[in-house]
Amino acid sequence: DIQMTQSPSTLSASVGDRVTITCRASQSINSWLAWYQQKPGKPPKLLIYKTSSLQNGVPSRFSGSGSGTEFTLTISSLQPDDSATYYCQHYYGSSGFGQGTKLEIK
Amino acid sequence: EVQLVESGGGLVQAGGSLRLSCAASGFTFSTYSMNWVRQVPGMGLEWVSYISPSSGTKYYADSVKGRFTISRDNAEHSVFLQMSSLRDEDTALYYCVRGRADLTGTSDLGYWGQGTLVTVSS
Repeated sequence: DIQMTQSPSTLSASVGDRVTITCRASQSINSWLAWYQQKPGKPPKLLIYKTSSLQNGVPSRFSGSGSGTEFTLTISSLQPDDSATYYCQHYYGSSGFGQGTKLEIK
Repeated sequence: EVQLVESGGGLVQAGGSLRLSCAASGFTFSTYSMNWVRQVPGMGLEWVSYISPSSGTKYYADSVKGRFTISRDNAEHSVFLQMSSLRDEDTALYYCVRGRADLTGTSDLGYWGQGTLVTVSS
């Protein structure tokens, strides 16, 4: 199975900061990577699919990039509502998630 | 509006079995792949299983392979997860999830149910 490793596990940043979360795959997954945001008590919400495509309704401050084994989720200007846990997911053959990155607002 | 409603969760003894159901509405069920994803409360997401629109392709996480079986009934707009030989570590909230688009193969996950809680006691 392909293993997904996210970093950092936790992140604290201020409103307006540029934030980057990294996801590494144990083997190439081409561009078959998605990012999700999850808030307490809610199911995850799809933000980005196929590495860099923004899901409908997601603010443009969210962006994704990468290919092969290394991928990033960037929030260009952090907002209070962005406090959440973020997960990457590969869908190359089977599927799997990273362990999550908890983002806190200072 | 896409709706996914899970049912069938509950308390079960280790070694026992449970069948989860997911009733889908608001889209052409027979053209979308479906998945089960689980989450231990307070912990991360774990993808569990995938089934193609025609049931011709199924995938499982290594942690459940040989114990869980995914199936679907397109006429009833439902997907199921038969779980057997349950272990403590299967305790989790189980989400029924639809692929974002009607694509072949596993995919990004655009629509999630609210989940059904499975508790395995030893």
